[in-house]
Amino acid sequence: GAVVSQHPSWVICKSGTSVKIECRSLDFQATTMFWYRQFPKQSLMLMATSNEGSKATYEQGVEKDKFLINHASLTLSTLTVTSAHPEDSSFYICSANDRGNTDTQYFGPGTRLTVL
Amino acid sequence: GEDVEQSLFLSVREGDSSVINCTYTDSSSTYLYWYKQEPGAGLQLLTYIFSNMDMKQDQRLTVLLNKKDKHLSLRIADTQTGDSAIYFCAERLDNTGKLIFGQGTTLQVKP
Repeated sequence: GAVVSQHPSWVICKSGTSVKIECRSLDFQATTMFWYRQFPKQSLMLMATSNEGSKATYEQGVEKDKFLINHASLTLSTLTVTSAHPEDSSFYICSANDRGNTDTQYFGPGTRLTVL
Repeated sequence: GEDVEQSLFLSVREGDSSVINCTYTDSSSTYLYWYKQEPGAGLQLLTYIFSNMDMKQDQRLTVLLNKKDKHLSLRIADTQTGDSAIYFCAERLDNTGKLIFGQGTTLQVKP
């Protein structure tokens, strides 16, 4: 089946540093990837939609300069949290649409970010 | 606006059937999905249904869609302890693939 991986699975960083999270579709091509944020015991909040080769579309209230998204290829999207602060601590999950079957969206295992 | 609502908690005994309910507000939904999330993990796609269907069955899972009432349900037959998790329903509105998620229903299966 379709597999989406994320790296790293967890990261702890100091306040003010930047953190990059990678999202890869392992066995399919993803024209569109999505980045979500999930707080404890809450639902997923869509942050942005990333299309290969073009700028990401951010949801209302999400700072594009703080959450930099790059979708360099059909199998890789990255999310960089710049100048991270403790309030950015969260579970970040990516997902991808299979180019060959856009009915379904497959999710990565998530990245736990803790900012000290 | 778009809104998806789920009950927050369901407790059943092992071997019983579980029914998780979901309501949505946008009648232009194209697909509706059920995802399962175990602690500390990402979301696993369980099943999905196209908006012009009424029912879909996949082994122990049965999805019912009442489009008139904008009500979606997931029935898990012969519920096992391994089914304990959070279940999210989600609606897809258009061809962008953007999903709107419910709050998630925590299913607790007692032995």
